[in-house]
Amino acid sequence: GNSVTQMEGPVTLSEEAFLTINCTYTATGYPSLFWYVQYPGEGLQLLLKATKADDKGSNKGFEATYRKETTSFHLEKGSVQVSDSAVYFCALLDTGGFKTIFGAGTRLFVKA
Amino acid sequence: NAGVTQTPKFQVLKTGQSMTLQCAQDMNHEYMSWYRQDPGMGLRLIHYSVGAGITDQGEVPNGYNVSRSTTEDFPLRLLSAAPSQTSVYFCASSLSGTARDTQYFGPGTRLTVL
Repeated sequence: GNSVTQMEGPVTLSEEAFLTINCTYTATGYPSLFWYVQYPGEGLQLLLKATKADDKGSNKGFEATYRKETTSFHLEKGSVQVSDSAVYFCALLDTGGFKTIFGAGTRLFVKA
Repeated sequence: NAGVTQTPKFQVLKTGQSMTLQCAQDMNHEYMSWYRQDPGMGLRLIHYSVGAGITDQGEVPNGYNVSRSTTEDFPLRLLSAAPSQTSVYFCASSLSGTARDTQYFGPGTRLTVL
């Protein structure tokens, strides 16, 4: 079945450091891929998405590229801020739609 | 727009009790879904609906019932609560349920079953 694996946290960085959170997936067909962010005490918010191979999703300085050859969708940001501290979830939606599969989440702490 | 609203925010139940978690959206979305969030496991889909009168099972449907009588509301029923159902529950909605449309999440309900 479909699955998503992302790097375990927590990840602790200093402000202005470079961020990478790894995400790989297993799926049949051509799923769409997502990154969601969850701030403390809140629900999830869509951060970015990519719907086909080689697409790059981007938002708020975050980027991720859909790599079908390596089945990966790694999240990157060039310079993190304290306000980026949150839990980040990688997710996929299979070709048929309707059922989103989430990774376990990676908690990010950014220190001033 | 209020977006996706959930009630209650917190709930404590005893084993065997029943309750309904409420979810409503005011965006005229056809697709609605329920997830549970457990530590180290991300979110797992319980049930979803693609429109009024239509529901289907997700990854972990056992112990939960849903119905969708209106576009706006999608309640989740626990018929006989068990400690394994202690979790944070999120409701979400989107226009179509496909990757074209953004999925919006409610603030969650934290449920403890003793």
